[in-house]
Amino acid sequence: DTEVTQTPKHLVMGMTNKKSLKCEQHMGHRAMYWYKQKAKKPPELMFVYSYEKLSINESVPSRFSPECPNSSLLNLHLHALQPEDSALYLCASSQSPTGNSYNEQFFGPGTRLTVL
Amino acid sequence: AQSVTQLGSHVSVSEGALVLLRCNYSSSVPPYLFWYVQYPNQGLQLLLKYTTGATLVKGINGFEAEFKKSETSFHLTKPSAHMSDAAEYFCAVIISGGYNKLIFGAGTRLAVHP
Repeated sequence: DTEVTQTPKHLVMGMTNKKSLKCEQHMGHRAMYWYKQKAKKPPELMFVYSYEKLSINESVPSRFSPECPNSSLLNLHLHALQPEDSALYLCASSQSPTGNSYNEQFFGPGTRLTVL
Repeated sequence: AQSVTQLGSHVSVSEGALVLLRCNYSSSVPPYLFWYVQYPNQGLQLLLKYTTGATLVKGINGFEAEFKKSETSFHLTKPSAHMSDAAEYFCAVIISGGYNKLIFGAGTRLAVHP
């Protein structure tokens, strides 16, 4: 199974709502990632989890709160978002967090988020 | 610092024609290079990747890329375009030895016309 799944596929929320995005992989990967992708732009890294611990936070606002409950699951908790946070949120995983070309990142299909 | 430049934000070809998508990298150390494809409303799929060794890399769906150190390039090619190749293509580099952080180029949108 080389699949990363993400739920929900689409999410519409108001600026006062609290919602969560979910990402799951069953490949035994020990590194997981959240990316944000605006329209017609490349993905931008938000967070990296390595062995269930937060390793990289790319100066993401605190209204985005990641969580890694176990090695297969990654959540992104959303609270008090702004309309400019509307984007495609992509999750990815790789076997380990080490940077090399043998450590391919597998991407999920993404969650399309709209903040009203 | 590593970076990637993709020349041409839009490329249009006829079905059956050669596809050439350009990528140049900047790196002070040997780079790890990737090409990803993104179909509309989908995630990214790895097309191919360069590791040390063979400079001509073959990927999925008939794509290939050649690593040219002297030109700091990693251009993506396909001999004959198919309608299903229409998508966004991203070239990316990883900082070797550090965290597995992909640095993406701006992307090239490929359109294929009948």
